[in-house]
Amino acid sequence: DAGITQSPRHKVTETGTPVTLRCHQTENHRYMYWYRQDPGHGLRLIHYSYGVKDTDKGEVSDGYSVSRSKTEDFLLTLESATSSQTSVYFCAIGGGGAVGTDTQYFGPGTRLTVL
Amino acid sequence: SQQGEEDPQALSIQEGENATMNCSYKTSINNLQWYRQNSGRGLVHLILIRSNEREKHSGRLRVTLDTSKKSSSLLITASRAADTASYFCATDANNAGNMLTFGGGTRLMVKP
Repeated sequence: DAGITQSPRHKVTETGTPVTLRCHQTENHRYMYWYRQDPGHGLRLIHYSYGVKDTDKGEVSDGYSVSRSKTEDFLLTLESATSSQTSVYFCAIGGGGAVGTDTQYFGPGTRLTVL
Repeated sequence: SQQGEEDPQALSIQEGENATMNCSYKTSINNLQWYRQNSGRGLVHLILIRSNEREKHSGRLRVTLDTSKKSSSLLITASRAADTASYFCATDANNAGNMLTFGGGTRLMVKP
């Protein structure tokens, strides 16, 4: 594991409640990413960050917000969870080096169930 | 929409056989990567091939890239039961965020 932790690892919540997932890295990578993984869809990018306080939307950003106040932490918030947000969420980090040279390193995932 | 589409979606072989997985994508790319995911775990990077490369090897892995056909293949030779996992291709389509677009994956089962 490339020094990436996610918390919590499992969460069950109810529709309409706010949820925050945390990704923490010890690798000092500039880029951090949040993906969701659903059967039949592979991984889809929700949001990403290219530095402290610098974030941008991915393919499936509706219903999600993010924040990055420190290099090592990237938070994903579901303001009002819905059952369609039941998924496995993965955080990843990348070096943001020369285009075409970067791989991404993934955390262990958070399994979120919205009832 | 997915940039990469893997084929087949599932593959079952005997230990010792070779496994071939294919990936097709839609737009021009800088590179294509293959990742592996064991059940319940995060993805692990296997190999990266740049758009100006046609073939790359890493241990028992061989990756080919045909940019004219917008396709790639991953060959695992002499498979082992421990190779049982899902395999994903991911493309980097020349964007400032180094964003990757993943395909739906191939589930490989290697029977002992």
